[in-house]
Amino acid sequence: DSGVTQTPKHLITATGQRVTLRCSPRSGDLSVYWYQQSLDQGLQFLIQYYNGEERAKGNILERFSAQQFPDLHSELNLSSLELGDSALYFCASSEGPEGNQPQHFGDGTRLSIL
Amino acid sequence: AQSVTQLDSHVSVSEGTPVLLRCNYSSSYSPSLFWYVQHPNKGLQLLLKYTSAATLVKGINGFEAEFKKSETSFHLTKPSAHMSDAAEYFCVVSDRDGGSQGNLIFGKGTKLSVKP
Repeated sequence: DSGVTQTPKHLITATGQRVTLRCSPRSGDLSVYWYQQSLDQGLQFLIQYYNGEERAKGNILERFSAQQFPDLHSELNLSSLELGDSALYFCASSEGPEGNQPQHFGDGTRLSIL
Repeated sequence: AQSVTQLDSHVSVSEGTPVLLRCNYSSSYSPSLFWYVQHPNKGLQLLLKYTSAATLVKGINGFEAEFKKSETSFHLTKPSAHMSDAAEYFCVVSDRDGGSQGNLIFGKGTKLSVKP
């Protein structure tokens, strides 16, 4: 058990809709990272927050946004959903802000767009 | 810019035989290198990490990896495969002086199958 909790585990919705994925980091970790895993693109970094502030940005679409709250949990918002957004979305956490630290992953949210 | 290449998309071994998963990296600076494992329907779990303290890194579950700067390689090995090792393995690189970049660069993964 990594200590990182993601909800929900599965999400099924339709094109054009909006969803929110939630992540609670491991106790004591201040950084939260979001990743998208799909068959064609592999595992791609989306965005990192550290102690409530955006720290680094990867291949995140403008339709997607995230935030980290004072209690350190994070939410990833996906809007105007398209079929291609179907993927496994992972959250990871680490103690500090640097990217060369080990990251602890949650079990993911599987998003299916119909 | 840093990148990582996993040379095999699929490796199949028999239980009790050695495992070799190959990884080459490219990095502008002294890299931090990781191997992660992903079992079906689960998140990624850290196997081991290299940060220049020693070129041979021992990880969990009997896995180890050797950093070879001259070959820009970080291959993962295990002397004897177990059925429970069947999973997907990711080689990951991050620049040591990551600065404001919090992202890791993942290889495309190697799926390990273990035959009884």
